[in-house]
Amino acid sequence: DIVMTQGALPNPVPSGESASITCQSSKSLLHSNGKTYLNWYLQRPGQSPQLLIYWMSTRASGVSDRFSGSGSGTDFTLKISSVEAEDVGVYYCQQFLEYPRTFGGGTKLELK
Amino acid sequence: EVQLVESGGGLVQPGRSLKLSCAASGFTFSNYDMAWVRQAPTKGLEWVASISTGGGNTYYRDSVKGRFTISRDNAKSTLYLQMDSLRSEDTATYYCARRTNLDAWGQGASVTVSS
Repeated sequence: DIVMTQGALPNPVPSGESASITCQSSKSLLHSNGKTYLNWYLQRPGQSPQLLIYWMSTRASGVSDRFSGSGSGTDFTLKISSVEAEDVGVYYCQQFLEYPRTFGGGTKLELK
Repeated sequence: EVQLVESGGGLVQPGRSLKLSCAASGFTFSNYDMAWVRQAPTKGLEWVASISTGGGNTYYRDSVKGRFTISRDNAKSTLYLQMDSLRSEDTATYYCARRTNLDAWGQGASVTVSS
């Protein structure tokens, strides 16, 4: 199975500051078609998860442009510019290159 | 508006069965792969199973293989998860989600396996 490992944030993050969440995969998620099979999700407190970013860097419909995804085949970053109260929650990366689909352990963002 | 509504959760004894349903609306259900993802209390997300548009291809995580069955009824726009031989470690909130990218999620159905 592909193991996804997420880094922690130096919580709490001051409002208006930027935050970067890292994710590493045990296998390259770069497919021969040129696409990277990596998604990012946010689960706000008490809510279901929502898709933020797919194909490593494409924002999902309705997602603020304060969110951006980048990376290589095995190392990825979700950047949140100018953190706001609505960004509080747990962020998950997930690979969909292979079955079983696997998620990172989650990274909690708290606001100062 | 895309909606996914799970039902069928509850308290069940170890070794017993439970069937979850997920009613879809707001999109053409038959055009989308679907999945079940679970979250144990205070834990992270865990993919459980996926099914192709026509139901001909199904995929499971190893820990549920042979015990859980994912299926769908495209005429009813409904996704199912039949869970047999339940164990305490299956206790979780179960979400249905749309597509490989999991671009839409239900509100979740709580399953508690306990004697």
